[in-house]
Amino acid sequence: SQTIHQWPATLVQPVGSPLSLECTVEGTSNPNLYWYRQAAGRGLQLLFYSVGIGQISSEVPQNLSASRPQDRQFILSSKKLLLSDSGFYLCAWRPPGGTQYFGPGTRLTVL
Amino acid sequence: EDKVVQSPLSLVVHEGDTVTLNCSYEVTNFRSLLWYKQEKKAPTFLFMLTSSGIEKKSGRLSSILDKKELFSILNITATQTGDSAVYLCAATGTASKLTFGTGTRLQVTL
Repeated sequence: SQTIHQWPATLVQPVGSPLSLECTVEGTSNPNLYWYRQAAGRGLQLLFYSVGIGQISSEVPQNLSASRPQDRQFILSSKKLLLSDSGFYLCAWRPPGGTQYFGPGTRLTVL
Repeated sequence: EDKVVQSPLSLVVHEGDTVTLNCSYEVTNFRSLLWYKQEKKAPTFLFMLTSSGIEKKSGRLSSILDKKELFSILNITATQTGDSAVYLCAATGTASKLTFGTGTRLQVTL
């Protein structure tokens, strides 16, 4: 069966520090992968999605970037965090045409 | 621009009540509509709907899609306190993306 992992589960970082969040999927190949952010009390905002290795689509301009170095690995990064980057970051995967499933999420607090 | 609108934004009911949550969508090249339940953590999948008029059911939850009127409803019968959550609706269209609504926050009281 397929599983999706995200780490870390929680993170507290100072403003201006770098960020790297990792997401991996097991039990499937060539999934579509997604990064979302959910600010407190807000809806899900799609940040990036990828339909294959090295293929990244960005949905909103921001100081975050994403990379997909391997088929089942999706990384969210920042060189310098802002206060507004705080939120709940969710990775998700989806087989083409299928249901989307979410990872457990990373709660990021930028101080 | 693709759009998904959910109503009501929030709802408080008593245990045992039946609730109906609404989701309307405007999505280019619509393919499917999904419902999720989100408690404290990540959303969990409830239903995926692709065909009009065919009800999907799981225990006390059911959902149906109307592709002509571009909406879906999620029904919960005999609500329990464990049903308290945010219910998210999402629609898929082109480019493998899901567009999410802002959710309906349901609180079930004793």
